[in-house]
Order: sequence, then C-alpha cells, then structure tokens
Amino acid sequence: GNSVTQMEGPVTLSEEAFLTINCTYTATGYPSLFWYVQYPGEGLQLLLKATKADDKGSNKGFEATYRKETTSFHLEKGSVQVSDSAVYFCALSDRQTSGSRLTFGEGTQLTVNP
Amino acid sequence: EAGVAQSPRYKIIEKRQSVAFWCNPISGHATLYWYQQILGQGPKLLIQFQNNGVVDDSQLPKDRFSAERLKGVDSTLKIQPAKLEDSAVYLCASSLDVGPYNEQFFGPGTRLTVL
Repeated sequence: GNSVTQMEGPVTLSEEAFLTINCTYTATGYPSLFWYVQYPGEGLQLLLKATKADDKGSNKGFEATYRKETTSFHLEKGSVQVSDSAVYFCALSDRQTSGSRLTFGEGTQLTVNP
Repeated sequence: EAGVAQSPRYKIIEKRQSVAFWCNPISGHATLYWYQQILGQGPKLLIQFQNNGVVDDSQLPKDRFSAERLKGVDSTLKIQPAKLEDSAVYLCASSLDVGPYNEQFFGPGTRLTVL
C-alpha cells in the first residue's frame, strides 16, 4: 500500500536558519505529492504540491522537488521566521490505487525561536 | 469565501456513549472527506463522499462509525458506541471535485476525548 515517512521531530531552529524536513514515500502508482501546514489552533492548509517527477512546488519561500529516483519530497526554506512555527505534514495522493485519498506522514513539529 | 465549518469544536464523552459531528463544506464543493487524526499521527481518511454518494469508506470502522451526506451538502459523522481509542481530532475537508488535482480544504476539526 501507499505510505509516507517523515523525519522524526520535533525540530527547533533559530530565526533565519535553513530548514529541511525530509519526506520519503512508497506508492504503487504515480502519486501527486503535497506539503500541508497546521498552525496552532487552525486547520490544515495546503502549502505546496507537485504532480509529476522533477516538478518543484513552491510557496511562501518554501520549496520541495518531486524526486522519483529517490522517492522523496523534502521541504526546504532558506531562512525561517518565528511565524513558520507549525506542524508540517507530507502527503500523497495516488489516483490509480486510492482515488483522491490523501495519505499523510506523521507530521513534524517546527519551532522557530527569535 | 467561507471555509469548511465544523461543530462542535470539542466534545468529551464516556466510553460506550454516542457522539455526532457536523460538517458544512465550502459552497459548491462536490466532494467531502472525513479524516481521523490521532495525537502524534497524520490524518487518516475515514470516508469520502461525491455529492451524496460514498466513494471510499474502506477505512471506516463500520461496526461503530457511520456517516451520511443528505442532499449532497452537510454531513454528519456518528460514533456509537465510542471506545477509548476513538479519542482523536476529526477533520472534515471538501474539494470541488474528486482527483488529486483538486485541492482539499480542511475545517478546524472536532477534538473528541473519550473517558
């Protein structure tokens, strides 16, 4: 079946530090890949997505590249801010095997200190 | 544009009791999803509706969970009877249509505590 594995957390960084959150996946079809963010007290929000190999998704300074050869979709940001503190979820959707169901990773708690 | 609405936001019940959650999707969204998010885990899909028909309920524990989407708009999710392991946040999401290219918009969730 499909699965998503995220790096173990939580992650604590200082403001302006470089961020990487690792995500790898297992899928039998050709999935679309997503990063969702959950700010404290709020619902999940789509941060970025990529629908085919070598696509790069980007939003709010965050980037992730769909790497089929390494089955990875790592999230990066060059300079984090305190306002980026949230839980980040990697997810996939594999239409061939599971329709539009999103399969999520466990989530990574990011705390950015001033 | 109004987002996905859910109520109640919090619910505390004792095991073996019943509970129901309500979701109102974004206007015009044909597809509605219910996810269960246990503390420390990512959300897991329970059921997906397309209009008022069920598309995917393969991960719904049907002996105790039920859901309906009458008239293809609002939806309710019910648990009867509740168990301790049902303590979780129940998320409702909606999208314009099925398929991974349609963004899913999530509500704030209902946090259920079963004592």
